[in-house]
Amino acid sequence: SQELEQSPQSLIVQEGKNLTINCTSSKTLYGLYWYKQKYGEGLIFLMMLQKGGEEKSHEKITAKLDEKKQQSSLHITASQPSHAGIYLCGADGSYWGNKLVFGAGTILRVKS
Amino acid sequence: DAGITQSPRHKVTETGTPVTLRCHQTENHRYMYWYRQDPGHGLRLIHYSYGVKDTDKGEVSDGYSVSRSKTEDFLLTLESATSSQTSVYFCAISPWTSGRGETQYFGPGTRLLVL
Repeated sequence: SQELEQSPQSLIVQEGKNLTINCTSSKTLYGLYWYKQKYGEGLIFLMMLQKGGEEKSHEKITAKLDEKKQQSSLHITASQPSHAGIYLCGADGSYWGNKLVFGAGTILRVKS
Repeated sequence: DAGITQSPRHKVTETGTPVTLRCHQTENHRYMYWYRQDPGHGLRLIHYSYGVKDTDKGEVSDGYSVSRSKTEDFLLTLESATSSQTSVYFCAISPWTSGRGETQYFGPGTRLLVL
């Protein structure tokens, strides 16, 4: 969706390094969702954020929601090869009705 | 993991032939969705259903039709497949009990190649 921008498009990091992926909406959000996808597989739900300032963690992955900026950041601490994949953010809101829209995704590669 | 299966998982077909993809859920969720995923486009919604026999279009619905005769099954049909419909198709489900902020859970996907 053009209303949901993800950055960067791709990322290569050395194992053990931290990284951040951003997702910015041009429309008001109800919820912001993070998914992970491995090549050839379906999307795995990571977490959902609804309230401004909310922060959630899933193993070594932490996501925050900045309601004022309509932006979420996903942060991976001490990256591992198992973190490699495509990270997608999704959002719902009154603008989109009862639907999720998705960003184009961020491809993460972790070098050993 | 949410109980969602898709069949077939892989399909090769020829231009002009009809194709039907099936999504089956065991969660009794009200909402079901069909998406396609293409490089550079992320996930785009094709059609969705909010109940048995209740469906609506998404942003890329041209050339696709859907049917939902039972809560657990949501079928996506390509009436006459074209090469532009080569893609990976995902089904998703959601309870959507509150009308906002409901997580969608995805199936494993179907890879479709139209020659």
